Amino acid sequence: TQLLEQSPQFLSIQEGENLTVYCNSSSVFSSLQWYRQEPGEGPVLLVTVVTGGEVKKLKRLTFQFGDARKDSSLHITAAQTGDTGLYLCAGAAEEYGNKLVFGAGTILRVKS
Amino acid sequence: DTGVSQNPRHKITKRGQNVTFRCDPISEHNRLYWYRQTLGQGPEFLTYFQNEAQLEKSRLLSDRFSAERPKGSFSTLEIQRTEQGDSAMYLCASSLLLGQGANYGYTFGSGTRLTVV
Repeated sequence: TQLLEQSPQFLSIQEGENLTVYCNSSSVFSSLQWYRQEPGEGPVLLVTVVTGGEVKKLKRLTFQFGDARKDSSLHITAAQTGDTGLYLCAGAAEEYGNKLVFGAGTILRVKS
Repeated sequence: DTGVSQNPRHKITKRGQNVTFRCDPISEHNRLYWYRQTLGQGPEFLTYFQNEAQLEKSRLLSDRFSAERPKGSFSTLEIQRTEQGDSAMYLCASSLLLGQGANYGYTFGSGTRLTVV
């Protein structure tokens, strides 16, 4: 059983469309992070959220941390082919020794 | 600083052989982590160090796996008597732990892709 459940597992959209990826858990996290990973490479950190209800924007990407700090979402506006990749959410919590636990990821494919 | 460096990038080995991977973290970072990732999955925690001390090992890690960080700098991960199920991407990451466990994100290396034939 994954501590962090991501949905959808796979998303294929046309360039210019909007999309939202979800990350849910029954655990409370002190911080939650989103990473993007390309094939054959390690994950690259996009954002860290630490406060319940926090919203962070990174150009066309909007990240939200749930009020109860159990869930998060990533919204991409006007997707581009360069957004293609594996999006991973990861959480840190004292009960897990403050190491990151990862979800299984959402594979995003943006078609031109 | 060039980030987290992992060597080799790829390793093909025969079943039963031993393999060793190396990770050079960001020098200012005090924590170093090893994760394993298989196709279609997120990274799975293996072990981590704070400076030279190994603080935790996953229960999933068999005794064929051992990791060291002798001087609190680079780390090695050794797998003895490799099995086909060990085939995966092995990722190293480092981070700077501040205060009361506040973790502000990992920097990952590019990984070592292990194939056991």
